Amino acid sequence: QKEVEQDPGPLSVPEGAIVSLNCTYSNSAFQYFMWYRQYSRKGPELLMYTYSSGNKEDGRFTAQVDKSSKYISLFIRDSQPSDSATYLCAMRTSGTYKYIFGTGTRLKVLA
Amino acid sequence: NAGVTQTPKFRVLKTGQSMTLLCAQDMNHEYMYWYRQDPGMGLRLIHYSVGEGTTAKGEVPDGYNVSRLKKQNFLLGLESAAPSQTSVYFCASIHSGGSTRRISSYEQYFGPGTRLTVT
Repeated sequence: QKEVEQDPGPLSVPEGAIVSLNCTYSNSAFQYFMWYRQYSRKGPELLMYTYSSGNKEDGRFTAQVDKSSKYISLFIRDSQPSDSATYLCAMRTSGTYKYIFGTGTRLKVLA
Repeated sequence: NAGVTQTPKFRVLKTGQSMTLLCAQDMNHEYMYWYRQDPGMGLRLIHYSVGEGTTAKGEVPDGYNVSRLKKQNFLLGLESAAPSQTSVYFCASIHSGGSTRRISSYEQYFGPGTRLTVT
């Protein structure tokens, strides 16, 4: 079993829809959780960063962490065609700088 | 400020050939990383470095060597390339200091990638 599981998609939604992207993990020691966006043939860029449990909101993006369920989510409100990309979750334990990534979910927002 | 750059952008190798991928960052970052990205596998850590002169193994280190002789550069070497090393390689760096930025100072900055094909 992989340490981090992520549905690869692809996920197609109409413009304006609310998108929910998710990852599950098995290592209860993970404390830092990140979401990256990767456009085709580009390097990943950090979208959201959360420490431990709880929610964090930034514009149209909300990141949630539920440590009791070992489950993290990224919500995108009012999705736009420019949000079409692959979204990767990543996490690490405290005291180490080794990041474990999910496989990525490919999202397509249709105009 | 160029951020993280990678050289070359593309390369085709024959089995058994060797090559070195160069990663350079101009942000004075302490930590640097090499990942490979394959379809369905996500990003997997090959090697990383927490400072000049130090390196450590990641998740998939076999067949690769690295060196960090200068703080701004992190080199990834393939001594004898194999078809299984066909992949897209990404370099990343982070700053380890404290910050009041909205996003953690541990944000990874990624380079644009190197597409390597081994035939």
